Amino acid sequence: EAGVAQSPRYKIIEKRQSVAFWCNPISGHATLYWYQQILGQGPKLLIQFQNNGVVDDSQLPKDRFSAERLKGVDSTLKIQPAKLEDSAVYLCASSFATARSSYNEQFFGPGTRLTVL
Amino acid sequence: GESVGLHLPTLSVQEGDNSIINCAYSNSASDYFIWYKQESGKGPQFIIDIRSNMDKRQGQRVTVLLNKTVKHLSLQIAATQPGDSAVYFCAENITESSASKIIFGSGTRLSIRP
Repeated sequence: EAGVAQSPRYKIIEKRQSVAFWCNPISGHATLYWYQQILGQGPKLLIQFQNNGVVDDSQLPKDRFSAERLKGVDSTLKIQPAKLEDSAVYLCASSFATARSSYNEQFFGPGTRLTVL
Repeated sequence: GESVGLHLPTLSVQEGDNSIINCAYSNSASDYFIWYKQESGKGPQFIIDIRSNMDKRQGQRVTVLLNKTVKHLSLQIAATQPGDSAVYFCAENITESSASKIIFGSGTRLSIRP
């Protein structure tokens, strides 16, 4: 089966500019996650969707970050305006299980590497 | 607070030898633990998991050990191969009222000497 797709793979912007990332999860997966992975660190959860609803966005910097999953399939993550510390890899993952399941094996996309200058 | 950490940031192993990657955790509420492998330019890939009520679980060439007394987790890779070169993350799954979420540690880079 096809994996999680993300685009673009790389993006370079200047601080204060805006940027958007796109994710297409594995077909049939109800739960979608966005993670931020700073160089040398493990991924950190930003937001979690079940279908088109937000389950957990407690770690999302809402003054500049936003995400949506309007039709319960694809998702976009936006940063506006970007700061230098936003330089990271942004990973999308999806899971067949619902967010409240005790077991939810997540499948990750290749990520988008963002560099903010 | 919730945290998962690793003892060593890098590990160099001779090809064919066994690798042991260690991890410490602090959250007693975790219901299971997962090991991920991340190769350069790719997202994390699931290797093996273990429920919190288990001590040991084996997969193909990999074994995970869980010691809840000292809150320690380890991943053993048998007969390490060049393709095992990657960063390995331990992670813990926590189920709360609203959702389950995975918290990652900071990773150990495994390099293989020929």
